[in-house]
Amino acid sequence: DAGVIQSPRHEVTEMGQEVTLRCKPISGHNSLFWYRQTMMRGLELLIYFNNNVPIDDSGMPEDRFSAKMPNASFSTLKIQPSEPRDSAVYFCASSLPPIYEQYFGPGTRLTVT
Amino acid sequence: GENVEQHPSTLSVQEGDSAVIKCTYSDSASNYFPWYKQELGKGPQLIIDIRSNVGEKKDQRIAVTLNKTAKHFSLHITETQPEDSAVYFCAALVRSSNTGKLIFGQGTTLQVKP
Repeated sequence: DAGVIQSPRHEVTEMGQEVTLRCKPISGHNSLFWYRQTMMRGLELLIYFNNNVPIDDSGMPEDRFSAKMPNASFSTLKIQPSEPRDSAVYFCASSLPPIYEQYFGPGTRLTVT
Repeated sequence: GENVEQHPSTLSVQEGDSAVIKCTYSDSASNYFPWYKQELGKGPQLIIDIRSNVGEKKDQRIAVTLNKTAKHFSLHITETQPEDSAVYFCAALVRSSNTGKLIFGQGTTLQVKP
């Protein structure tokens, strides 16, 4: 299996621009998670989906952040407009409940200048 | 709310020595506790996990112990090697219906000196 695939791997953008991060979960996994990692706050869960339905978005920091999962093999995390404090590494992970092991993608390093 | 505390934040050991990382969790309903290893520039990788129906699990040089009464669990690495150097995260599962989310500890940076 190719594992969780994320794109792009690196993104540099200017403040105010829209940013879209993409994720392809492991085939057959029906839970998908978006995390943000920073030195200050560690690894934070932003939102997770089960069977393409958002279950818990309490970690989404602001209305500038939105996530979608239009089908079982694709999800996006969008930031509009982006701000310098959004700079972080964003990870996507997937799992297959009731087996709870989560498998992480390689991450997208976002820099907002 | 749910919380996982992890200690120490940094750990430096000599090659061949043992390393121990400890975590405590707040949700008494948690029943799944994974450990992840994150190398520089990579995503966290699951290395071992334990469920609440067992008190200890071992995989070669790595072992995890769980004390549900005290709500704490630990990672033990024996005969450490330089390639064990990484950031280690513990986590606890918070269940919701037929799925669940992981609450992660703050991470431990392990340095193994040759």
